[in-house]
Amino acid sequence: EAGVAQSPRYKIIEKRQSVAFWCNPISGHATLYWYQQILGQGPKLLIQFQNNGVVDDSQLPKDRFSAERLKGVDSTLKIQPAKLEDSAVYLCASSLGKGETQYFGPGTRLLVL
Amino acid sequence: GQQLNQSPQSMFIQEGEDVSMNCTSSSIFNTWLWYKQDPGEGPVLLIALYKAGELTSNGRLTAQFGITRKDSFLNISASIPSDVGIYFCAGDSGNTPLVFGKGTRLSVIA
Repeated sequence: EAGVAQSPRYKIIEKRQSVAFWCNPISGHATLYWYQQILGQGPKLLIQFQNNGVVDDSQLPKDRFSAERLKGVDSTLKIQPAKLEDSAVYLCASSLGKGETQYFGPGTRLLVL
Repeated sequence: GQQLNQSPQSMFIQEGEDVSMNCTSSSIFNTWLWYKQDPGEGPVLLIALYKAGELTSNGRLTAQFGITRKDSFLNISASIPSDVGIYFCAGDSGNTPLVFGKGTRLSVIA
């Protein structure tokens, strides 16, 4: 069974630029999560989708971050404009449903200069 | 918000030694989870604990859900080089997102 796919794996941008990350969850998984993992920290949830609806985006900095999961499968996370403190690994995870085991992708490593 | 205190921050051990790490919180959790993250990869679930007092094993790994529901520990017996990585605890209260600790970085010296 294929795991959670993410791209790109690495991205370097300058501050104030825009960037987008893509996630393809495990087939059949209704719940999709985006996490931010700053160096030396554990992952922190940014947004959770159930199918194509947002369940929790309370920790998403909505002035610059946005995410969508239009058809209830793939998802994109965008940052516009990026700040230095956005440098982190952005992890996507999926689960069969809310409260089920989460399976993580390899992450996208973002460096903002 | 909820926070998890994970200790130790890092460990250097000899191959074959046993390892113990723990996680404490001021909040009660319904579920405790232990993940391992290898360099350049996402976290992988090792053990899930669903009941206070529960003791669960997965090969050389053993984890327990504290009676107070505010703590958990993970033990690794007879460590091997592939145990190297960062181990995270995570708590699930059911109403809020998973809360992760800051991780324990394990290094194994052959």
